[in-house]
Amino acid sequence: DTGVSQDPRHKITKRGQNVTFRCDPISEHNRLYWYRQTLGQGPEFLTYFQNEAQLEKSRLLSDRFSAERPKGSFSTLEIQRTEQGDSAMYLCASSLGTSAFQETQYFGPGTRLLVL
Amino acid sequence: GNSVTQMEGPVTLSEEAFLTINCTYTATGYPSLFWYVQYPGEGLQLLLKATKADDKGSNKGFEATYRKETTSFHLEKGSVQVSDSAVYFCALSGRLSGSARQLTFGSGTQLTVLP
Repeated sequence: DTGVSQDPRHKITKRGQNVTFRCDPISEHNRLYWYRQTLGQGPEFLTYFQNEAQLEKSRLLSDRFSAERPKGSFSTLEIQRTEQGDSAMYLCASSLGTSAFQETQYFGPGTRLLVL
Repeated sequence: GNSVTQMEGPVTLSEEAFLTINCTYTATGYPSLFWYVQYPGEGLQLLLKATKADDKGSNKGFEATYRKETTSFHLEKGSVQVSDSAVYFCALSGRLSGSARQLTFGSGTQLTVLP
C-alpha cells in the first residue's frame, strides 16, 4: 500500500494560465475525492468519483474547474484561466466504498498552487 | 447544513502536559466523526474516528468520545510530546449518495509542544 499520491507537489503559474493536477488513489479504492484548503482553514469538498462516474460536482467552485477519472483509476483536476484567488492547497483523498460506517478517506500530500 | 467548530489556536504546551482540543458539531442525521492531523508540508493523516454515539476513538495516546447529547468530539492526550506538534482538524461525514460521504472540517488547531 503506497498511499495516495499527487503530482506535482507545487505549482507556480501566472494568472490566466491553465493548470492540471493528478491524483493516484490507493490501488483498490473505488472512490476518489477532491478538496481545496486555503491558508488557515480546513479542507473544503469540491467533487467526488465512484469508479469513473463523477457523482457530485455541484461544489466545484466555478465552471473554470473540472475533474476527470477516465478509467476509474487516477484522476485529474483542471483549473482554466487561473485567478489569484485559486491559490490554495488541492487535496485528493480515496476510500474503499463498502458501508457508511466504514467510509474512511485517506488523503494525499496535496498540490500547492500559487497564482501570480 | 453541517458545520464543525473547533477551539481556536494556536495552543502551546510543554512536553508531558495534558492536551484538550474542543470540537463541537452541527449535523443532520448521525454522522461519523474524525480527527485528522497535518504535519508541516504534508497532507492530512487520519488520527482516529468514531461512528456512533458513545464510541471512543483512540490512537497513539490520543482519545475522543462521540457525545451526541452535547454534540461534541473533544480530542485529549494525557502527555504530549514534541513530535505531536502539528495542526489538528476535527471533521464529520455528511451524506453524498449511497454510502459515500463528504467530510466537513473545522478550521484546525495549531499545536506546538515545547521541550
